Amino acid sequence: GENVEQHPSTLSVQEGDSAVIKCTYSDSASNYFPWYKQELGKGPQLIIDIRSNVGEKKDQRIAVTLNKTAKHFSLHITETQPEDSAVYFCAASYDFGNEKLTFGTGTRLTIIP
Amino acid sequence: GAVVSQHPSWVICKSGTSVKIECRSLDFQATTMFWYRQFPKQSLMLMATSNEGSKATYEQGVEKDKFLINHASLTLSTLTVTSAHPEDSSFYICSAIKPAGVNEQYFGPGTRLTVT
Repeated sequence: GENVEQHPSTLSVQEGDSAVIKCTYSDSASNYFPWYKQELGKGPQLIIDIRSNVGEKKDQRIAVTLNKTAKHFSLHITETQPEDSAVYFCAASYDFGNEKLTFGTGTRLTIIP
Repeated sequence: GAVVSQHPSWVICKSGTSVKIECRSLDFQATTMFWYRQFPKQSLMLMATSNEGSKATYEQGVEKDKFLINHASLTLSTLTVTSAHPEDSSFYICSAIKPAGVNEQYFGPGTRLTVT
């Protein structure tokens, strides 16, 4: 089955700086890679996703890059703000039908004002 | 939009009793929903896949007789924790796939279960 590794487990950055979270996956058949943000006591919120037919996707301050050859993908947050503080999870699945997601272990991001 | 709700948001029950948690997709129909369990400071652990009109598919190690799942309609799935024990205390989260030809999962806000 699929295995997703996520690094770092914790990350602290100064407000206004950039944050990068990296994930690797094991199953080359995976072709859908979403990122979720989870605030304390709440459910995960889908913030951006990418499919294997593209290498990069941006949405305002958030971007995701995908390297299928190396089987890794990354989340980039620029101009970080205090409200970006949360736990971020990457995931991978096969984008066909209703395939289940395999999650990474999460990254606790803290933005220092 | 893609809104998923859960009810209740938190519940406290005594050992030996059963608790039902509801998961609803509010603005779309979901043929597939998932149930997760999350321990503090850990990732989401998939418990089962719930398909409308059929039996749920449970992940290895999850007791199907203890965690009963019913997906009776395209907008509602329920998880019943039977004969709850303190070790069942956890954060339970559901998700639903929005049918748009892509595999986007939208999560509910979660239910905090405490068994005393």
